[in-house]
Amino acid sequence: EAQVTQNPRYLITVTGKKLTVTCSQNMNHEYMSWYRQDPGLGLRQIYYSMNVEVTDKGDVPEGYKVSRKEKRNFPLILESPSPNQTSLYFCASSRDREDYGYTFGSGTRLTVV
Amino acid sequence: AQKITQTQPGMFVQEKEAVTLDCTYDTSDPSYGLFWYKQPSSGEMIFLIYQGSYDQQNATEGRYSLNFQKARKSANLVISASQLGDSAMYFCAMRDHNTGNQFYFGTGTSLTVIP
Repeated sequence: EAQVTQNPRYLITVTGKKLTVTCSQNMNHEYMSWYRQDPGLGLRQIYYSMNVEVTDKGDVPEGYKVSRKEKRNFPLILESPSPNQTSLYFCASSRDREDYGYTFGSGTRLTVV
Repeated sequence: AQKITQTQPGMFVQEKEAVTLDCTYDTSDPSYGLFWYKQPSSGEMIFLIYQGSYDQQNATEGRYSLNFQKARKSANLVISASQLGDSAMYFCAMRDHNTGNQFYFGTGTSLTVIP
């Protein structure tokens, strides 16, 4: 089944404790992206990647890191999480074409206390 | 400037009635794609419908149709015969070639279907 697998689904952590949210897709998509969703603010892009070893900042990159060492994986790293990073996070992938939509992961609900 | 504008934060519709969710977009690229996604309370993002800028006909997928008015840069989602399961957040999105096929999302419309 074609899918984007995102883990974990739920995570509660403490301020400052480094964490990684994994994202993997099995569709050979070039384009991958991370979003955070907060009430009233819609989806805001954190980072995106056009292909292996090519990443770029989205609208809200501060406090996050990403890497794209393999085409299928695009982990999101929070080196020192803070409470304002409490949010719902989505990974998504797509072909690099304007007529292709996203396939989204199931989301990760992160709480930083 | 906002690339995608959804002006209705919340909408209500009676069960079995049709409802239109508004979306306007901004691009100078002649080649672009328009998408609608549904997000139920469980949180996952579900693709609903796609319209290409060169498509001559409005896209339809079951009870969903996209009212595409190119000159007005409008891509409204029409849901016919609303069901209780249609209660969700709906996001309009655009992708255009000029910006390297970047996605742009609106802020969403929360639809509530009333029995």
